Amino acid sequence: NAGVTQTPKFRILKIGQSMTLQCTQDMNHNYMYWYRQDPGMGLKLIYYSVGAGITDKGEVPNGYNVSRSTTEDFPLRLELAAPSQTSVYFCASSYEGTGELFFGEGSRLTVL
Amino acid sequence: GEDVEQSLFLSVREGDSSVINCTYTDSSSTYLYWYKQEPGAGLQLLTYIFSNMDMKQDQRLTVLLNKKDKHLSLRIADTQTGDSAIYFCAEVIINKFYFGSGTKLNVKP
Repeated sequence: NAGVTQTPKFRILKIGQSMTLQCTQDMNHNYMYWYRQDPGMGLKLIYYSVGAGITDKGEVPNGYNVSRSTTEDFPLRLELAAPSQTSVYFCASSYEGTGELFFGEGSRLTVL
Repeated sequence: GEDVEQSLFLSVREGDSSVINCTYTDSSSTYLYWYKQEPGAGLQLLTYIFSNMDMKQDQRLTVLLNKKDKHLSLRIADTQTGDSAIYFCAEVIINKFYFGSGTKLNVKP
């Protein structure tokens, strides 16, 4: 099993550009999450989803959008990229809302 | 969001015990977790404790939970150089996982 797969692993964007970080999981998990990790700041929740068709904001949703049209996929969209969005982004999934979180390997995004 | 707090750094010698501390905010958290992150990788679950327990032991790992003070600790016995990583505590509140800032453990040979 592949687990949680994120693409791309690295990306450099110019200010104002848009892009989508892809996340897919093959474990049939209902719960999926997007986090960003900044040095010394831990992980901050951007958006999460409890099932296909359902998404909700986390702690830091501004500047991002998500969709969940299938159980497997949970893409994160950045519109009008800003330097403050330079970070490492992690997608994670869980079978239930209190169970083990399985993480992808991360996507390092730099906005210049 | 919720505030889960940890100290940022810990340095120990190989063979010593390491103790990583965490304070969390929400007394209704049903589970509390410890995750490990190695360089360039995502987080992996190390261990967890149910909120009605005071202690959990798993081989070299001991988790202590003080609900009154909302304090969680992770003790690693006989710390090895392979234990060098960042350790995160986390709580879950209504399906959302909140993480601390992470403690970077450096193990000196």
